[in-house]
Amino acid sequence: SQTIHQWPATLVQPVGSPLSLECTVEGTSNPNLYWYRQAAGRGLQLLFYSVGIGQISSEVPQNLSASRPQDRQFILSSKKLLLSDSGFYLCAWSRPEYTSINTEAFFGQGTRLTVV
Amino acid sequence: DAKTTQPPSMDCAEGRAANLPCNHSTISGNEYVYWYRQIHSQGPQYIIHGLKNNETNEMASLIITEDRKSSTLILPHATLRDTAVYYCIVRVVPGSGNTGKLIFGQGTTLQVKP
Repeated sequence: SQTIHQWPATLVQPVGSPLSLECTVEGTSNPNLYWYRQAAGRGLQLLFYSVGIGQISSEVPQNLSASRPQDRQFILSSKKLLLSDSGFYLCAWSRPEYTSINTEAFFGQGTRLTVV
Repeated sequence: DAKTTQPPSMDCAEGRAANLPCNHSTISGNEYVYWYRQIHSQGPQYIIHGLKNNETNEMASLIITEDRKSSTLILPHATLRDTAVYYCIVRVVPGSGNTGKLIFGQGTTLQVKP
């Protein structure tokens, strides 16, 4: 069966510090991968998605970047955190589009980031 | 931008059916309707999806109007554990030259009361 791992669960970082959140998927190949952010009391905002190694698409301009060094690994990074980067970050995966026409997305448990 | 409209909140009595509406008047022929829910501080959970026919699974039923401009998610016997934010999403069919990514709106906060 497929599983998605996201860590850490919570993180408190000072303004100006770097950030690295990691997400890995097991039990599948060539997944589509996504990073979402949820600010307090707000909906889920899609930040990045990737259809393959080294292929990253950004949905919104921001202080963050994403990388996919391996097929099932997705990393969210920042060189210098801002207060506005605080939020609940969720990684998700779905099967590659050529394998299925109705593929749901599976979400990790999220990382709650507080920038102080 | 999200292409759906949902009421911000709803209440439902425990044991009764919860009917959550969603308007998607600009839906295209190659877009499906998906429903997810998010229990507080957890990742969203897939519930059900459909194109034009009504769908039912172990969690819920999805009723889509004939013109496909709106739909209703039905939880037949709501329990306290169904309290969550419910998201209605229209999603382009993967394989159409895109990733089929999910764009979330604000959702409906369903409060199931004893």
